[in-house]
Amino acid sequence: DQQVKQNSPSLSVQEGRISILNCDYTNSMFDYFLWYKKYPAEGPTFLISISSIKDKNEDGRFTVFLNKSAKHLSLHIVPSQPGDSAVYFCAAIRSGAGSYQLTFGKGTKLSVIP
Amino acid sequence: DSGVTQTPKHLITATGQRVTLRCSPRSGDLSVYWYQQSLDQGLQFLIQYYNGEERAKGNILERFSAQQFPDLHSELNLSSLELGDSALYFCASSVGLAGSSYNEQFFGPGTRLTVL
Repeated sequence: DQQVKQNSPSLSVQEGRISILNCDYTNSMFDYFLWYKKYPAEGPTFLISISSIKDKNEDGRFTVFLNKSAKHLSLHIVPSQPGDSAVYFCAAIRSGAGSYQLTFGKGTKLSVIP
Repeated sequence: DSGVTQTPKHLITATGQRVTLRCSPRSGDLSVYWYQQSLDQGLQFLIQYYNGEERAKGNILERFSAQQFPDLHSELNLSSLELGDSALYFCASSVGLAGSSYNEQFFGPGTRLTVL
C-alpha cells in the first residue's frame, strides 16, 4: 500500500518556466514532509521540508505547499534551470512513531529543457 | 559529498549467496537508516539503528539483518539471495533520532547489488 504517491513519473519544463511537482499521501499521521533530489549515481539529497502546522515554506527558488485537508503537497521551482534536472522524491515522516524513517514516493523525473 | 560512505559501490553475486554491505555515517551522527530502492517499489525503509541499538524496522525481510557497531558504522547482511533482491541499497545518517532542525538524513551514494 503506497502511502506517499507521486503520480507523474516524469515532467518536462522549459528553462525559466515554473516546475510543479505533486505528491499525495494517505496516512493522516504524517506530520512532516520533505523533498529530496537525486542525481544518477548519487544518493538523495535534502531539498526542502514543511511541517504539518504550516501551509507554505520557501527557500530561494523552491517553495513547498501543503494542503492538509486534501493530503496533498507540491514543490514549485521558479525559475527552472537545466541543473534542476533530476529525480525528485516526496517523503513523509510520522514523528510520533519514535523513529524518523522516511516514507518515500516513487519519484518524478524532472527534465528542464534549455 | 554527504559525508556518508558506503562500500562496495557495486556487488554482483549469485542466488543463494550472502553479502554484507557497509556504511560509515557522517562524523557525529548516531542514527543510521537503511533503504532499498528497487525498480517497482521505489525507495523503501528497511531498518534504523540509533547509537548501536535497533530503533525501528520497516519492510525488511527475515533473510536480511543489520547491526551498528561501537564505532557507529553499520552493516547490512543479506542472505539466501534471490533475483528480486537486486536493487540499490542506501544508507543514511542523522545526528540523532530527530536529526537536524529539518530531521535531515544524509544519504550515501548507495551500493548496487545485482543477483544473477
